[in-house]
Amino acid sequence: DVKVTQSSRYLVKRTGEKVFLECVQDMDHENMFWYRQDPGLGLRLIYFSYDVKMKEKGDIPEGYSVSREKKERFSLILESASTNQTSMYLCASTSSDRVMNTEAFFGQGTRLTVV
Amino acid sequence: LAKTTQPISMDSYEGQEVNITCSHNNIATNDYITWYQQFPSQGPRFIIQGYKTKVTNEVASLFIPADRKSSTLSLPRVSLSDTAVYYCLLDGGKLIFGQGTTLQVKP
Repeated sequence: DVKVTQSSRYLVKRTGEKVFLECVQDMDHENMFWYRQDPGLGLRLIYFSYDVKMKEKGDIPEGYSVSREKKERFSLILESASTNQTSMYLCASTSSDRVMNTEAFFGQGTRLTVV
Repeated sequence: LAKTTQPISMDSYEGQEVNITCSHNNIATNDYITWYQQFPSQGPRFIIQGYKTKVTNEVASLFIPADRKSSTLSLPRVSLSDTAVYYCLLDGGKLIFGQGTTLQVKP
């Protein structure tokens, strides 16, 4: 019973390429999040969205943009990939009233390597 | 600036109770305290959430003192499969994870 699906498990891209990471959830959740995870740094929030076409910056938005055209889909875009964006990327979704979140469901992660 | 502070790592033995404390001196009135568990190569999984006093579910208990400046996740009788990273979050709309606590359960 897959709830949050990320388009790729592993991805290898070249420096300077435009990269799209896709995330789809089937729970009709309002909120969606993108994180990156690096050894010793935990999960760091890149962007999140609490509604269609709405987005807010997280702690490390530089070098990234997002798109949420439909409620179930949240895309992370690396405008010009760089080697320091090599990381594990995780997508999550929750339902909330913007005061607190219900249980977050995470995708399986995308391990991106930029060469 | 990190909103929560947890120990980087902890060791325990099977069958013991494990308590992981999280400090959050600047907790906001509308922040809920939420704990997640993460195994290698997987996304985090929700464990428990609370606002004040004590919350218990089938997996863990969460103790929150009256001033809410800290919280303690209690895992009863851990097993080897509880070896994971545990994250404490203050949830006021954003889900901000810190570095987490790596719990190693030994036989």
